[in-house]
Amino acid sequence: AQSVAQPEDQVNVAEGNPLTVKCTYSVSGNPYLFWYVQYPNRGLQFLLKYITGDNLVKGSYGFEAEFNKSQTSFHLKKPSALVSDSALYFCAVRVSGGSYIPTFGRGTSLIVHP
Amino acid sequence: DAGVTQSPTHLIKTRGQQVTLRCSPKSGHDTVSWYQQALGQGPQFIFQYYEEEERQRGNFPDRFSGHQFPNYSSELNVNALLLGDSALYLCASTPRPGRQETQYFGPGTRLLVL
Repeated sequence: AQSVAQPEDQVNVAEGNPLTVKCTYSVSGNPYLFWYVQYPNRGLQFLLKYITGDNLVKGSYGFEAEFNKSQTSFHLKKPSALVSDSALYFCAVRVSGGSYIPTFGRGTSLIVHP
Repeated sequence: DAGVTQSPTHLIKTRGQQVTLRCSPKSGHDTVSWYQQALGQGPQFIFQYYEEEERQRGNFPDRFSGHQFPNYSSELNVNALLLGDSALYLCASTPRPGRQETQYFGPGTRLLVL
């Protein structure tokens, strides 16, 4: 079975400060990891993904994430937060073998204060 | 280039009724997946359609069924609606059904069952 944990329901950060949204996963096999963002009353928008290769992945809107196999983590980061980054963030995992049904975390609400 | 579109945007039904939701994939995409996102939760995979056939199915009862048309658009049907079926239903498309593919989500259909 595969699972994703986003341990923080909400993350608060001041505009201009760095932000981190945490994600840990559990899979049998090699993971494919994704981050999506959801604005109010909207669908999910793709930010970035890790498939293979460099552990540091750069994505849209200045976001990046680091794949850490030993800690089974894929934390989302941004050096300088914007108020417009305030949204709901979802981490998702698929496994490289077997069923490719994705599993999403419960989401983390990011609030960036002016 | 139109993205993923879904209709209707909102829907109110009563228990026991049936509902049909519609999705048109992003141009160039032939694979459609459906998700249920309950309030405060991450999306849960319902099923995926490719070449007009259901290819993968999540842990949802047979009340949930679907269809894909030759133009790649898709429908999600839910019979005998329960209060617990109230959720945002998301459609996502990819160019092909692979595990590494980035999913592009529509804005969703919000279903309220009374």
